[in-house]
Amino acid sequence: AQKITQTQPGMFVQEKEAVTLDCTYDTSDPSYGLFWYKQPSSGEMIFLIYQGSYDQQNATEGRYSLNFQKARKSANLVISASQLGDSAMYFCAMREKGTGTASKLTFGTGTRLQVTL
Amino acid sequence: NAGVMQNPRHLVRRRGQEARLRCSPMKGHSHVYWYRQLPEEGLKFMVYLQKENIIDESGMPKERFSAEFPKEGPSILRIQQVVRGDSAAYFCASSPRQGASYEQYFGPGTRLTVT
Repeated sequence: AQKITQTQPGMFVQEKEAVTLDCTYDTSDPSYGLFWYKQPSSGEMIFLIYQGSYDQQNATEGRYSLNFQKARKSANLVISASQLGDSAMYFCAMREKGTGTASKLTFGTGTRLQVTL
Repeated sequence: NAGVMQNPRHLVRRRGQEARLRCSPMKGHSHVYWYRQLPEEGLKFMVYLQKENIIDESGMPKERFSAEFPKEGPSILRIQQVVRGDSAAYFCASSPRQGASYEQYFGPGTRLTVT
């Protein structure tokens, strides 16, 4: 089974509108972290937001918020007031605590967001 | 505080040559991760190293690939006898500690093209 699933290969949103990018995950580890990264056409990976499995509140960072629904194992990214510069690939990733050294990130396949005028 | 440095940014190799990719983690970070991104795909974990130790290489291909993180100097990902399928973006990330909550800071990546 996929550990991280992003079902939307591509999304369009109009400038100034909000958009939700979906992410579901699969883990039996009670301690894990969820991350969202942005990858613009230039190729670098830009960290956006982090949610810990024990965090009581949904994470927010400026125009980014994470809709964390633990029971449903979903961690959707919400971008408010979209800007043209938000056009990029967006990756959801998970890190499980595991035993010992399991600190690697597992990535989804990404969602390509296009912001239009 | 400089970010994660990777060089070269672009590397072209002919089939059969060796590729060496370098990664200097952020200052104070002793944990280094290498990921590979094939075209139109997400990043896939390759190897996790601490200084002078390979901690987890479960994502490394069994042959031709090796990684090291010496006591002094950058981490090196080495690919021997490259093939066309090795063409990809290789990202290095570093973190100050191990654990689920510690963010990994990514370098800009090295784009390897095998001709």
